[in-house]
Amino acid sequence: DVKVTQSSRYLVKRTGEKVFLECVQDMDHENMFWYRQDPGLGLRLIYFSYDVKMKEKGDIPEGYSVSREKKERFSLILESASTNQTSMYLCASSTGPGRGELFFGEGSRLTVL
Amino acid sequence: AQSVTQLDSQVPVFEEAPVELRCNYSSSVSVYLFWYVQYPNQGLQLLLKYLSGSTLVKGINGFEAEFNKSQTSFHLRKPSVHISDTAEYFCAVSGSFNKFYFGSGTKLNVKP
Repeated sequence: DVKVTQSSRYLVKRTGEKVFLECVQDMDHENMFWYRQDPGLGLRLIYFSYDVKMKEKGDIPEGYSVSREKKERFSLILESASTNQTSMYLCASSTGPGRGELFFGEGSRLTVL
Repeated sequence: AQSVTQLDSQVPVFEEAPVELRCNYSSSVSVYLFWYVQYPNQGLQLLLKYLSGSTLVKGINGFEAEFNKSQTSFHLRKPSVHISDTAEYFCAVSGSFNKFYFGSGTKLNVKP
């Protein structure tokens, strides 16, 4: 069974802390994505990666960075967490380009106090 | 940039009634279209997709959608809903641009 695993389902952090959200996929997919989900706004793309060490900004990259050192792992980094980054974060992977469906992880709900 | 509009944020419906969830997209190039479902506290899973060919696409759990190029729409339908269909539904578009754009979601609330 295909799987995208996000390391933490729930996190509570304080303002200014550095936060790592990790995502691992076992499908040998080239493309990996980080989305942010907020009520009424749907899913907004933060960053995506189409190969190891390659990354591209999505629609809302400010305040975030990413790392992809290995094909199966894609990490989202909040250098200095702020309260407006409280949200649900969804990782996904796909074959490319564009035709393949996205496979999602269960999500990581981050609360920044 | 592409955009996807889901016109209804919430759709209440009684069990065994038909339902249509609307989706319109803006794109002047060829696109691929998807519907995803999200149950509470879970990630998204694929319901169905249109890549090419027949404009009527059938998916899991009895859902289907029709691609209408002239109206740039991809509405999702089910002839008879169940309580278990209560969830949030997202329409998405992708293409050669290698990104997926999502609508804001429609919450389907099936009442007994």
